[in-house]
Amino acid sequence: NAGVTQTPKFQVLKTGQSMTLQCAQDMNHNSMYWYRQDPGMGLRLIYYSASEGTTDKGEVPNGYNVSRLNKREFSLRLESAAPSQTSVYFCASSYRDNQPQHFGDGTRLSIL
Amino acid sequence: AQKITQTQPGMFVQEKEAVTLDCTYDTSDPSYGLFWYKQPSSGEMIFLIYQGSYDQQNATEGRYSLNFQKARKSANLVISASQLGDSAMYFCAMREGGRGGATNKLIFGTGTLLAIQP
Repeated sequence: NAGVTQTPKFQVLKTGQSMTLQCAQDMNHNSMYWYRQDPGMGLRLIYYSASEGTTDKGEVPNGYNVSRLNKREFSLRLESAAPSQTSVYFCASSYRDNQPQHFGDGTRLSIL
Repeated sequence: AQKITQTQPGMFVQEKEAVTLDCTYDTSDPSYGLFWYKQPSSGEMIFLIYQGSYDQQNATEGRYSLNFQKARKSANLVISASQLGDSAMYFCAMREGGRGGATNKLIFGTGTLLAIQP
């Protein structure tokens, strides 16, 4: 019962470094999402992919890129990390509309 | 614009008491969905309950129920007979609607930190 798997769980970067966060789901879900969680602000959508081959911007896409590699995998890339991107990043997936999103355990990312 | 508001930053509740966590929302879309998630100190997000805007009855899942008052645009989570393990952050979220059909993008509130006291 792996569900949604995120790697890595923790990462420290220096300003300007690049990094790709990986996400994979084994539930045959169509839609996948990337959120960031900052203190006092709840979760905010960065990018999402409604189906394989499509991606779209969420509320806070600046500074990020995504790739929906196949139905299972959805990666998030920081090309030039900034301290403002220090956050906890969650990947989620859902089968279709009205179905709950299932979340990974999160990646704690610190940028110095 | 769609918005979710959780006005209770934190709550203390005695074990075995019922607790209500408030959530109000704002949307002009007639089709939407409301979700509650639990985030314990370990950090994972756990789905609790879902209410669709066209559902006639309030959703229930075990000790969780959703007090859905559509006219007031509120979707409060009620936890009956609270347990120590209920201590966590609770988030209300709304599925964002849109032209051409609903998407499944979620807008989250800022959360309520619930502490159950023995």
